[in-house]
Amino acid sequence: NAGVTQTPKFQVLKTGQSMTLQCAQDMNHEYMSWYRQDPGMGLRLIHYSVGAGITDQGEVPNGYNVSRSTTEDFPLRLLSAAPSQTSVYFCASSSSGFGYEQYFGPGTRLTVT
Amino acid sequence: GENVEQHPSTLSVQEGDSAVIKCTYSDSASNYFPWYKQELGKRPQLIIDIRSNVGEKKDQRIAVTLNKTAKHFSLHITETQPEDSAVYFCAASRVSRPLEYGNKLVFGAGTILRVKS
Repeated sequence: NAGVTQTPKFQVLKTGQSMTLQCAQDMNHEYMSWYRQDPGMGLRLIHYSVGAGITDQGEVPNGYNVSRSTTEDFPLRLLSAAPSQTSVYFCASSSSGFGYEQYFGPGTRLTVT
Repeated sequence: GENVEQHPSTLSVQEGDSAVIKCTYSDSASNYFPWYKQELGKRPQLIIDIRSNVGEKKDQRIAVTLNKTAKHFSLHITETQPEDSAVYFCAASRVSRPLEYGNKLVFGAGTILRVKS
C-alpha cells in the first residue's frame, strides 16, 4: 500500500493564480482532512470529509475549496493564491474519524510570491 | 471551540535524560488526546494516544499522563536518544458516538525537542 500520497511536493505560485493540491489514499478510509502547518502554529484544519460527497469546514477554510467525488481522492483548490497561503500542506486520512490515528501524506510546500 | 496550549516551545536535553512536554486543553468534553512526532522534513506520525477513561499509558520509553480535572496531559520520554530529536505535537478531540462528524482534532503549536549527545 502506498498509504497517503500528495502531489506536487513543491510549488511556487504568483499572487492571484489558482491551483489544486492532490491527495489520494489507498486504505479505503472514509475520513480525509487537509491541514496547513505554519511555524509556531502547529497543524490547523482547513477542510475535511467524512465520506464521498460530504465535506465541511475546519478552522481556516477561507480561500480554499474541496470536493470528494471518490473515497480515494480529496483535492484542495486554492482559488486565488495570496502570500498568506504560503505554508506546508498536509493531507491526512483515518478509518474512523478524528478520535483515531490520522495517517498523514508527505506534504506539499507551497510558496506564494 | 477547543484550544490546546503546548509548553515548552523548545526543549534541549542531554542524551539519557528524561523529557516532559505539557499540554492544556479548554473543552472539558474532549476525550481523546494523541501525540504526534514529526522528524525534520517528514510527515507527522502518531506515537501514542490516550482516552479520558485512562489516567496513564506507557509504550516502552514513552508515556502519557492525563489529568481531566486540571485539563492537562503530558508526554514523558525517558532515556532520551538522538533519534528522539523532532517536533512533537499534542492534540485533543471530542469523540461522541454515534456521531463522529464535527468532532475536529485541534493541535498544539508543537515542541522542538533536541537531544544532545
